[in-house]
Amino acid sequence: AQRVTQPEKLLSVFKGAPVELKCNYSYSGSPELFWYVQYSRQRLQLLLRHISRESIKGFTADLNKGETSFHLKKPFAQEEDSAMYYCALSAAGAAGNKLTFGGGTRVLVKP
Amino acid sequence: EPEVTQTPSHQVTQMGQEVILRCVPISNHLYFYWYRQILGQKVEFLVSFYNNEISEKSEIFDDQFSVERPDGSNFTLKIRSTKLEDSAMYFCASLLTRGGKTQYFGPGTRLLVL
Repeated sequence: AQRVTQPEKLLSVFKGAPVELKCNYSYSGSPELFWYVQYSRQRLQLLLRHISRESIKGFTADLNKGETSFHLKKPFAQEEDSAMYYCALSAAGAAGNKLTFGGGTRVLVKP
Repeated sequence: EPEVTQTPSHQVTQMGQEVILRCVPISNHLYFYWYRQILGQKVEFLVSFYNNEISEKSEIFDDQFSVERPDGSNFTLKIRSTKLEDSAMYFCASLLTRGGKTQYFGPGTRLLVL
């Protein structure tokens, strides 16, 4: 079974402060991890995925297989980062490649 | 940039009625999905569809649910006899190839069953 846990429902930070969103997963096979973001009144969109190892909008995330984590970090939060963030897992190589989502973390960046 | 579209954006129906939610995936994509999100809960996988057949479905996707790709562009989710607990946001997604891995989501249809 696949499970994704995001322990924080809400993170409130001031502009310019660092922000870290925690994501832990449970999966016995080889996982692929993603962060999706949903801005107000917009659709879910991919922020980044662990395979590409890239930084998008200043966000980075490293897959730590030992700790089964894929935390999302940004050193200096901006007001436009206020959104709902979802961590998601896909089983590598599995038919259909469904995504299993965490419960989401709402980030509020205050001026 | 091409996007997944969904219609209607909102639907209100009476318990026991049939509803059809429509999605137009990105045109060259091959894999299609439905997810739902009950208010305040996680986004949950319902079903995936490839090569004109269901490739995986969750426990939620019981006999009351069906999917179809009737004309090569639309991808529909039908709920035969809606229940109160079917009230949720329903998201369609599409994927180009298994190797690509990035699922592109539609804006969702909010379904309210009274």
